Amino acid sequence: DTGVSQNPRHKITKRGQNVTFRCDPISEHNRLYWYRQTLGQGPEFLTYFQNEAQLEKSRLLSDRFSAERPKGSFSTLEIQRTEQGDSAMYLCAIRKDAGSDTQYFGPGTRLTVL
Amino acid sequence: RKEVEQDPGPFNVPEGATVAFNCTYSNSASQSFFWYRQDCRKEPKLLMSVYSSGNEDGRFTAQLNRASQYISLLIRDSKLSDSATYLCVPLTGGYNKLIFGAGTRLAVHP
Repeated sequence: DTGVSQNPRHKITKRGQNVTFRCDPISEHNRLYWYRQTLGQGPEFLTYFQNEAQLEKSRLLSDRFSAERPKGSFSTLEIQRTEQGDSAMYLCAIRKDAGSDTQYFGPGTRLTVL
Repeated sequence: RKEVEQDPGPFNVPEGATVAFNCTYSNSASQSFFWYRQDCRKEPKLLMSVYSSGNEDGRFTAQLNRASQYISLLIRDSKLSDSATYLCVPLTGGYNKLIFGAGTRLAVHP
């Protein structure tokens, strides 16, 4: 158990619809990350939160994407006007220990845009 | 040049074989490295951390060559359960975001 849950686990949507994913760390962790993984590739960094502050965003995060972490605990990732190219696995990760660089991943949300 | 390059494989090996993967990285400032293991349609899970010249954990050995900027993973006495994709991660960038390679797929057969 990595201490991270993600919901939903699978999402199928039609192009142009909005979708929202949620990441829930089991306990408080100040650093939370979102990654995206497409078939045959490693995960790609999207954005990073320290507590409720979003400190870095990848250029992969277009203006259709927005992420929040309103209380410094759970986080949401919203994609507006989805495109077929958004189909991917969206992974949330946390750093459990302040002195460790290791990130632990949640099970991911698999998005399919038809 | 990509930040992290891995041979995608697949490496098809029989049980009991020894197999090694290499991973090259472009950022000479990378100080720490991880190998993650990812099963099909699952999340990546940490296999091993490398903070100096190498690390060994049971059947798994990671070795770092800073001069040539590559890190290797050696698996001895392969098991069927070792079948997975192995992702190389040099730790770089602010706030320790992880930059993953595309992974090397290993298939161990009876």
